[in-house]
Amino acid sequence: QQQVKQSPQSLIVQKGGIPIINCAYENTAFDYFPWYQQFPGKGPALLIAIRPDVSEKKEGRFTISFNKSAKQFSLHIMDSQPGDSATYFCAASKGLRGGKLIFGQGTELSVKP
Amino acid sequence: EAGVTQSPTHLIKTRGQQATLRCSPISGHTSVYWYQQALGLGLQFLLWYDEGEERNRGNFPPRFSGRQFPNYSSELNVNALELEDSALYLCASSRQEGYGYTFGSGTRLTVV
Repeated sequence: QQQVKQSPQSLIVQKGGIPIINCAYENTAFDYFPWYQQFPGKGPALLIAIRPDVSEKKEGRFTISFNKSAKQFSLHIMDSQPGDSATYFCAASKGLRGGKLIFGQGTELSVKP
Repeated sequence: EAGVTQSPTHLIKTRGQQATLRCSPISGHTSVYWYQQALGLGLQFLLWYDEGEERNRGNFPPRFSGRQFPNYSSELNVNALELEDSALYLCASSRQEGYGYTFGSGTRLTVV
């Protein structure tokens, strides 16, 4: 019940394409769903996050879609660029006072020029 | 504002030795989290410290331990090192009432 399942494991798109990464969870107590971006040799950086009371959130070229009934959420990257090539992690947590984030297994994205 | 800083950047130890990893959180952040990122295994939760207390622990053996100091910095100790402990160890910090984590760049531990 604590797991967050992420797919696909890797993804290759052409520049300008719209990669989509999907995550699914089981624990309905989760109430915070962030996405992190990690470049080689760096720690993960918070990209965008959503709470379950909204179905979509956009920040620049990044959009989270959230389906509470299906217990799924996804990341869309509009007009993807080679600089977006990185590993992306979805995560989930519960509680009002922070607490541990449960991470998906990660998706290695490659955007070809 | 300075980010989360971790030291050392790289650490090479022999099997059976002990390793100590250090983390300084962002100023004003009272919670510190430790994660292990082994190759192909994603980020596995290790420990969570808040206000000097251990709040939660992941599924790791007792030889993984740590503490948080009064200034909110933290250290992770790994005793009796095994080859499979080789990984990137990431520290993150957050405000007490917030959700957002900020990660450091990690300590790459290699056990030979």
